[in-house]
Amino acid sequence: DAKTTQPNSMESNEEEPVHLPCNHSTISGTDYIHWYRQLPSQGPEYVIHGLTSNVNNRMASLAIAEDRKSSTLILHRATLRDAAVYYCILRVTLSGGYQKVTFGTGTKLQVIP
Amino acid sequence: EAQVTQNPRYLITVTGKKLTVTCSQNMNHEYMSWYRQDPGLGLRQIYYSMNVEVTDKGDVPEGYKVSRKEKRNFPLILESPSPNQTSLYFCASSLLGGEQPQHFGDGTRLSIL
Repeated sequence: DAKTTQPNSMESNEEEPVHLPCNHSTISGTDYIHWYRQLPSQGPEYVIHGLTSNVNNRMASLAIAEDRKSSTLILHRATLRDAAVYYCILRVTLSGGYQKVTFGTGTKLQVIP
Repeated sequence: EAQVTQNPRYLITVTGKKLTVTCSQNMNHEYMSWYRQDPGLGLRQIYYSMNVEVTDKGDVPEGYKVSRKEKRNFPLILESPSPNQTSLYFCASSLLGGEQPQHFGDGTRLSIL
């Protein structure tokens, strides 16, 4: 089964870039990589996704390794509002088109003023 | 406003008393899913549905049932709840496709005594 591995926690200073890593060595060719974040007492919130190429949006950037066995979520300038648990997720397409979702255990990001 | 609505938000009940957690979405999404979140384990998929009358097991389906009789609704049924089902539950929906982001509800905290 597809699986993702993330560090339990990371720290960053405010206004500095943050690189959050994720390993997904069992990824298959059609599996999409998604990132979500979860603030306290809220449901997860979509951040970004990708398949093979690096991606940018207004929230973050996603760098995907050439072999797709790892990825990195990049927050360009961390703010206090970015303090959350960040989840790396695989959206796995099974036979028949069924789609399972596998969450990692998440990285708790602390932003230091 | 596009949203996923779960009810109840909080429930304390006793072992063996059947309960249903409702989930409704107003975005005409085909894909709906239930997750449970436990400390140290992240989110784990319980069941998902690709469309009306099409459901499949996730990673932790034991002790749960689901049904998808209407596109907008995806209730989670605990026929005989046990204390190990005490958890925070999230419902999510999305369009079909591995690239589609999921929209999450605000969560339901269940305590089974």
